[in-house]
Amino acid sequence: EVQLLESGGGLVQPGGSLRLSCAASGFTFSTYAMTWVRQAPGKGLEWVSSISGGASTTYYADSLKGRFTISRDNSKNTLYLQMNSLRAEDTAVYYCAKHTGGYSRAFDIWGQGTMVTVSS
Amino acid sequence: EIVMTQSPATLSVSPGERATLSCRASQSVSNNLAWYQQKPGQAPRLLIYDASTRATGIPARFSGSGSGTEFTLTISSLQSEDFAVYYCQQYNNWPLTFGGGTKVEIK
Repeated sequence: EVQLLESGGGLVQPGGSLRLSCAASGFTFSTYAMTWVRQAPGKGLEWVSSISGGASTTYYADSLKGRFTISRDNSKNTLYLQMNSLRAEDTAVYYCAKHTGGYSRAFDIWGQGTMVTVSS
Repeated sequence: EIVMTQSPATLSVSPGERATLSCRASQSVSNNLAWYQQKPGQAPRLLIYDASTRATGIPARFSGSGSGTEFTLTISSLQSEDFAVYYCQQYNNWPLTFGGGTKVEIK
């Protein structure tokens, strides 16, 4: 079964850091680009960052202003999101998602999400 | 950045009726558009990609159409499990962007 499982969320103070992980199974992880999407409480979906299958190319939302770093370890079938200088507005459920493949950058598999709360 | 605008924000429909949801892009995205369904407390689910291709396991009552800047998701006969929020997403250009969502509620 194709599956994504996020972990690493929690409560962090403003200015703090957190690293999210997304463990993949059931598919050839290194073949697919991966993405992080977030959703603030009661709000819509917001694309955060994407990384190519081989990790050579990364993309970020402008609003992150260099605070977040996406990475992956294909030997461990795991995607990461390092989040620094966290702000209250970063409070959200963070989902990892698998791209469909080929040129398409639609997301056909999603994790269950991990909640990040930034508060003092 | 390409802005995706969905309308209406809320759609009230009776079970068995047809629902038509719209998504407009601020510039052409060709056919690089996806639709997702999200129920409360759940992750989004891919319904349609490349504007009109149903994802694996998606019932035939869901159909997508359009290209360029105007797109439509049609649910031909609403079932109880279809009441949810629907999002469109363009992937023609970086940054990838989502619409604000349309909530389909029971009339």
